Amino acid sequence: NAGVTQTPKFQVLKTGQSMTLQCAQDMNHEYMSWYRQDPGMGLRLIHYSVGAGITDQGEVPNGYNVSRSTTEDFPLRLLSAAPSQTSVYFCASSRTSGGWGEQYFGPGTRLTVT
Amino acid sequence: GESVGLHLPTLSVQEGDNSIINCAYSNSASDYFIWYKQESGKGPQFIIDIRSNMDKRQGQRVTVLLNKTVKHLSLQIAATQPGDSAVYFCAENTGRRALTFGSGTRLQVQP
Repeated sequence: NAGVTQTPKFQVLKTGQSMTLQCAQDMNHEYMSWYRQDPGMGLRLIHYSVGAGITDQGEVPNGYNVSRSTTEDFPLRLLSAAPSQTSVYFCASSRTSGGWGEQYFGPGTRLTVT
Repeated sequence: GESVGLHLPTLSVQEGDNSIINCAYSNSASDYFIWYKQESGKGPQFIIDIRSNMDKRQGQRVTVLLNKTVKHLSLQIAATQPGDSAVYFCAENTGRRALTFGSGTRLQVQP
């Protein structure tokens, strides 16, 4: 299994541009989530999904959209990038929902917005 | 409010010593806790978890202790090795469908 994969690894955007961060997992996990990590801070939850067709907001959802059309994929869309969205983004999946059990994290996408 | 925090932002230990990383939480309703390790440039990696009906759980070279009376969680690493150098996060399940992470403690292992 490849586990959780994320693309791209690095991205530079100009303010106002939009883009999609890709996340995929091949472990047939129902639960997937997106976090952002800012320097010297822990991870903050952006959006999560407990299964295909079901998404919900986390702690910091503004400026981001998600969809979950399949079990495997959970893309994160930045609608109009702002410098405040400069961060490292991690996607995670787990077999159980609700934050229980081991979450597997992807390698992250480092995003810079100028 | 709900929060997870850490007492020490940086911990430096000698190779072979035992390490103790502490974490305080404020939500008494939290019923599940996890420790993650994050190496530079990588995503967090699961280390060990504990449910609120337990006060101790042991893994390979790691032990997690939970004191619900004072809302305190600790991670003990035995015989710390250079490969243990990383940032360690505690996280809690506050009853929502997600984990709340602390800000992290950097563990530096001196040879």
